[in-house]
Amino acid sequence: DIQLTQSPSTLSASVGDRVTITCRASQNLDKWLAWYQHVPGRAPKLLIYKSSILKRGVPSRFSGGGSGAEYSLTISSLEPDDFATYYCQQYNTYTLTFGGGTKVEIK
Amino acid sequence: EVQVVESGGALTHPGGSLRLSCAASGFTFDDYAMHWVRQAPGRGLEWVSGLTWNSDRKSYADSVKGRFTISRDNGRNALYLEMNTLRPEDTALYYCVKDITAALNAFDVWGRGTKVVVSS
Repeated sequence: DIQLTQSPSTLSASVGDRVTITCRASQNLDKWLAWYQHVPGRAPKLLIYKSSILKRGVPSRFSGGGSGAEYSLTISSLEPDDFATYYCQQYNTYTLTFGGGTKVEIK
Repeated sequence: EVQVVESGGALTHPGGSLRLSCAASGFTFDDYAMHWVRQAPGRGLEWVSGLTWNSDRKSYADSVKGRFTISRDNGRNALYLEMNTLRPEDTALYYCVKDITAALNAFDVWGRGTKVVVSS
């Protein structure tokens, strides 16, 4: 199975900061990678799919990029609603996997 | 409104069985693949199983392969997860999830989850 390693596991930041989360795969994903935001007590929310395609309705401060085995999620200017845990997920193979998550907390 | 609603979670003993159900509405159910994703207490998200729109491909995480069976009834707009030989490590909130396509890809609609506790 494909392993996904996210870094950092925790990120402390302030409102207005630019933050980047990295997701490294154990093999090439051909851009078959999605990003989710999960706030405790709520259902996870799809932000980006196919590495960089923003889901309709997701604010443009979120962006994704990368190729091969390395991908990133960037939030250009953190807003209060963005403090949450973020997960990458690969769908390059029929056995899907998530990364371990990155918790973005208030500094 | 597009939604999926899970049911069937319960407290059961190790070695026991449960059947989770998911009722879908607000979209053409048989146009999309469907999945189960779980989150154990204090842990991250774990994909459990998925199947394509017509059930021609079913896939499982290694942690549940041989114990769990996913199925769907397109006539009833329903998704199921039969869970056998349950272990304490299966304790989690189980989400029913809609795929963005008919194949096994990313997930755009999530339920609120149903809780499964496996404990003696």
